[in-house]
Amino acid sequence: KAGVTQTPRYLIKTRGQQVTLSCSPISGHRSVSWYQQTPGQGLQFLFEYFSETQRNKGNFPGRFSGRQFSNSRSEMNVSTLELGDSALYLCASWRGRGNTEAFFGQGTRLTVV
Amino acid sequence: QKEVEQNSGPLSVPEGAIASLNCTYSDRGSQSFFWYRQYSGKSPELIMFIYSNGDKEDGRFTAQLNKASQYVSLLIRDSQPSDSATYLCAVYTGGFKTIFGAGTRLFVKA
Repeated sequence: KAGVTQTPRYLIKTRGQQVTLSCSPISGHRSVSWYQQTPGQGLQFLFEYFSETQRNKGNFPGRFSGRQFSNSRSEMNVSTLELGDSALYLCASWRGRGNTEAFFGQGTRLTVV
Repeated sequence: QKEVEQNSGPLSVPEGAIASLNCTYSDRGSQSFFWYRQYSGKSPELIMFIYSNGDKEDGRFTAQLNKASQYVSLLIRDSQPSDSATYLCAVYTGGFKTIFGAGTRLFVKA
């Protein structure tokens, strides 16, 4: 059974640009969450999607957005990139609603210069 | 106050000792509690989960939950150098939202 796949693995962008990250969850999983991980801050919750609908959102500015497709694949978009957006972005795939084990992808390392 | 708080460490214990990792959470309605281990450069992976008050044991790991005190802990017995990692406490608060703590770095000295 394939795991959670995130693409790309690494990205370097310039301030002001936008970026789109992709996550393919484990087959059969309908819930996908996105987290931002920075040193000292741990995993900061961005949002969670279930059945193509955003069910919850963390305390991030509107520059951060996402969507989920009918095949459960999810994309996250960050517009007008800032230096502080440099982080590891992790996608988690859930079998259920979030009260079960999360399976993480390898992450996308975003560097904003 | 952060929703899920952990001591960032590092926590250093000698090989064979018991490592005790602690986590507090703010939402009294939280339903499920998880401990993930993250090795440097890797993604988190689940090692324990607990839903009810009390202790839950799995091999060398014991999770303890006290909902009245809003406190969850992880004990690692007979700590090994391979246990050196960051341990993340995660709390499912309901409504499709799981909050992670910042993690505690554990070093097990051989």
